[in-house]
Amino acid sequence: GAVVSQHPSRVICKSGTSVKIECRSLDFQATTMFWYRQFPKQSLMLMATSNEGSKATYEQGVEKDKFLINHASLTLSTLTVTSAHPEDSSFYICSVYSGGATDTQYFGPGTRLTVL
Amino acid sequence: GENVEQHPSTLSVQEGDSAVIKCTYSDSASNYFPWYKQELGKRPQLIIDIRSNVGEKKDQRIAVTLNKTAKHFSLHITETQPEDSAVYFCAAKHGNTPLVFGKGTRLSVIA
Repeated sequence: GAVVSQHPSRVICKSGTSVKIECRSLDFQATTMFWYRQFPKQSLMLMATSNEGSKATYEQGVEKDKFLINHASLTLSTLTVTSAHPEDSSFYICSVYSGGATDTQYFGPGTRLTVL
Repeated sequence: GENVEQHPSTLSVQEGDSAVIKCTYSDSASNYFPWYKQELGKRPQLIIDIRSNVGEKKDQRIAVTLNKTAKHFSLHITETQPEDSAVYFCAAKHGNTPLVFGKGTRLSVIA
């Protein structure tokens, strides 16, 4: 399957600062990537769908001005949490859609964000 | 959109016994149903999946069944071992739509 990396794996920041998370598809050209968020002891919740070269599509309740997504190339999508607050502390996981015959999703290792 | 319900939320079994986790989905267009195992602090790991043209699939101690008419699918783990203890998620999708996850089942295998 596709190899997906995320950076950083962990980040601690102060309230009010912005944090950028990178998601890279290392061996696969990803037209579509998805960003999920997982709070402790909860399931993965879709935040947005990121399509290369176009604006991201956000799920209801997710503020597009707070969670900025850029999918500028077929191998890189970034999620920027702007003016982070403690309630944004979560596990952020990106996922690459494979398309084609495999028609599945491959997940990155996740980024643990802690906002103090 | 798709809605996936998963039961039970927690499950405790004795080592060697079987464990069954059940999911239902709402979108009849869904045709891909993976199961993930997630250990604390790690990404979900795909353990088995099934597509809508198949009713059952087995991989060693793990099996998944799908009933498209009733819109439900189940995960069966036989001869459970302590290392099977984790949180398990079912999910559903079709085409390039994103996976929608169930709320998860915390499985504890007691030695």
